[in-house]
Amino acid sequence: DGGITQSPKYLFRKEGQNVTLSCEQNLNHDAMYWYRQDPGQGLRLIYYSQIVNDFQKGDIAEGYSVSREKKESFPLTVTSAQKNPTAFYLCASSRTGRVNEQFFGPGTRLTVL
Amino acid sequence: EDKVVQSPLSLVVHEGDTVTLNCSYEVTNFRSLLWYKQEKKAPTFLFMLTSSGIEKKSGRLSSILDKKELFSILNITATQTGDSAVYLCAVENNAGNMLTFGGGTRLMVKP
Repeated sequence: DGGITQSPKYLFRKEGQNVTLSCEQNLNHDAMYWYRQDPGQGLRLIYYSQIVNDFQKGDIAEGYSVSREKKESFPLTVTSAQKNPTAFYLCASSRTGRVNEQFFGPGTRLTVL
Repeated sequence: EDKVVQSPLSLVVHEGDTVTLNCSYEVTNFRSLLWYKQEKKAPTFLFMLTSSGIEKKSGRLSSILDKKELFSILNITATQTGDSAVYLCAVENNAGNMLTFGGGTRLMVKP
């Protein structure tokens, strides 16, 4: 089955630790996206990538980093510089120029203690 | 900066009621407006609107776009408890590489 997987579903970390969230897709999509969602709010774009080895900052990139070494994978690292990292993180993918058709992963809920 | 505003923030209704959710936007380069339903996990796609005045309909849900006044509405008739969710509106830019989301409307339908 084609789709997007994110792991883990729930993640707990201590303050000051970096943590990497996984996102893998087997839809053969070139474009991938990371969003953050806080309680009672919409999605905000962190980073997006249109092609391997290239990515752009979204609206709230500070304190986050990404890599895109493979088409299928777009991991997100939440660094200790992110002041309030506790949130729900969603990964998505789409064909290039077709963000309106993006598929979402199931999300990772990160809690920083 | 692109901006999408949804209202109301939250809404509580009883089964059978009709609700109207609003989405207004200020976007530099508009391609389409999308509505999603989110129930505690990933959003699921409802509608994509590109042209003014053409209603999109799916069962009890319908939506329409006004590109002159820069807003869209999502209507749900004969609401059911299964309609309880957060409804998200998003606007796609011209390049087709970015969505700007509104803050969502939380709908609760009571039996």
